[in-house]
Amino acid sequence: QKEVEQNSGPLSVPEGAIASLNCTYSDRGSQSFFWYRQYSGKSPELIMFIYSNGDKEDGRFTAQLNKASQYVSLLIRDSQPSDSATYLCAAPAGGGADGLTFGKGTHLIIQP
Amino acid sequence: NAGVTQTPKFRILKIGQSMTLQCTQDMNHNYMYWYRQDPGMGLKLIYYSVGAGITDKGEVPNGYNVSRSTTEDFPLRLELAAPSQTSVYFCASSYGSVDTEAFFGQGTRLTVV
Repeated sequence: QKEVEQNSGPLSVPEGAIASLNCTYSDRGSQSFFWYRQYSGKSPELIMFIYSNGDKEDGRFTAQLNKASQYVSLLIRDSQPSDSATYLCAAPAGGGADGLTFGKGTHLIIQP
Repeated sequence: NAGVTQTPKFRILKIGQSMTLQCTQDMNHNYMYWYRQDPGMGLKLIYYSVGAGITDKGEVPNGYNVSRSTTEDFPLRLELAAPSQTSVYFCASSYGSVDTEAFFGQGTRLTVV
């Protein structure tokens, strides 16, 4: 069974600082990775996806993928209180199944 | 823009009762999914469908059934509800396979007592 692991937190970061969220995965064959943001009581929404080794930037968000280390990270620059949420890392379920395998999520708190 | 719509938003069931969670999408997506999310946990895939008439099991299918008679609708049936099925259920859809963005409904919070 594929596994996606995240530190559940909470991770507390001062406003304006860089928040760094980490994720490891068990399946070396995984090719793509997703970061979803979930506000309390709401549904997940996609904020970043990454397929290739290295960095991918989108506004204040940067996703980093290191396939050799089976490690994915999400950096949030200039953190805002509105970034306070749970961030879910996900990878394709694999094994012939469509859909995603999610980590438990990291609860991020941005302190004003 | 409706996107993915789930009904009901909340429901309390007694042990042994049955119910259907409704999910409909208006984006003409072929791929649809049901996930459940337990407190403090990530989402787990229950069932998925790659098109009308085609469904398949995910990671945690026991106690559930699905059907996909149209592109728009993907209902999830719970037979003989058990306390272990207390969870938040999310329906999602995507244009393509798993490497494309999934759009989620607002969720159904189900409590089995």
